[in-house]
Amino acid sequence: AQRVTQPEKLLSVFKGAPVELKCNYSYSGSPELFWYVQYSRQRLQLLLRHISRESIKGFTADLNKGETSFHLKKPFAQEEDSAMYYCALLYGGATNKLIFGTGTLLAVQP
Amino acid sequence: NAGVTQTPKFRVLKTGQSMTLLCAQDMNHEYMYWYRQDPGMGLRLIHYSVGEGTTAKGEVPDGYNVSRLKKQNFLLGLESAAPSQTSVYFCASSYGLAGVDEQFFGPGTRLTVL
Repeated sequence: AQRVTQPEKLLSVFKGAPVELKCNYSYSGSPELFWYVQYSRQRLQLLLRHISRESIKGFTADLNKGETSFHLKKPFAQEEDSAMYYCALLYGGATNKLIFGTGTLLAVQP
Repeated sequence: NAGVTQTPKFRVLKTGQSMTLLCAQDMNHEYMYWYRQDPGMGLRLIHYSVGEGTTAKGEVPDGYNVSRLKKQNFLLGLESAAPSQTSVYFCASSYGLAGVDEQFFGPGTRLTVL
């Protein structure tokens, strides 16, 4: 069965430090992975998807099929990056269902 | 565009009471989803719909029913609320493009069942 694991509930870093939010997945098919973000008092929104191979707000994520990982990285954290981050895996073929990890709260200290 | 809206924002129920949560989207999306978010468990899919008049079960459908009579609306019903249904409920919608689709989320409904 499909599964998404985010091992860290909380990641606290100082402003300017590198950030890596971990995500591992289990899926028998070809994985399509996403990172969603929820800022304080805002709704959940898409941050990036692996198929686009783009950098959003300085964040990047590379799909590593060998390690079944899709870690989110940013070289220099900013205070405004503080938020809840969810890794999600698309499954169910044409139904576009998502299975989410349990989320990691990123706290960037000044 | 309002995007995805949810009604109500907050609700407190007693065990055994019933209620309906309304999700509306003005983006002409085909697909709509209901999730619940619980501490330490992320978002879990309750039910979803791939078009007007269709519904299907997600990961945790027990105790809930849904209807999609109009394309823009997706209703989530609790017939007999239980304390285990205390949660934050999120609705989402998407165009329905397989494999690349982004889901757009509503602001959430915080439900407490006493």
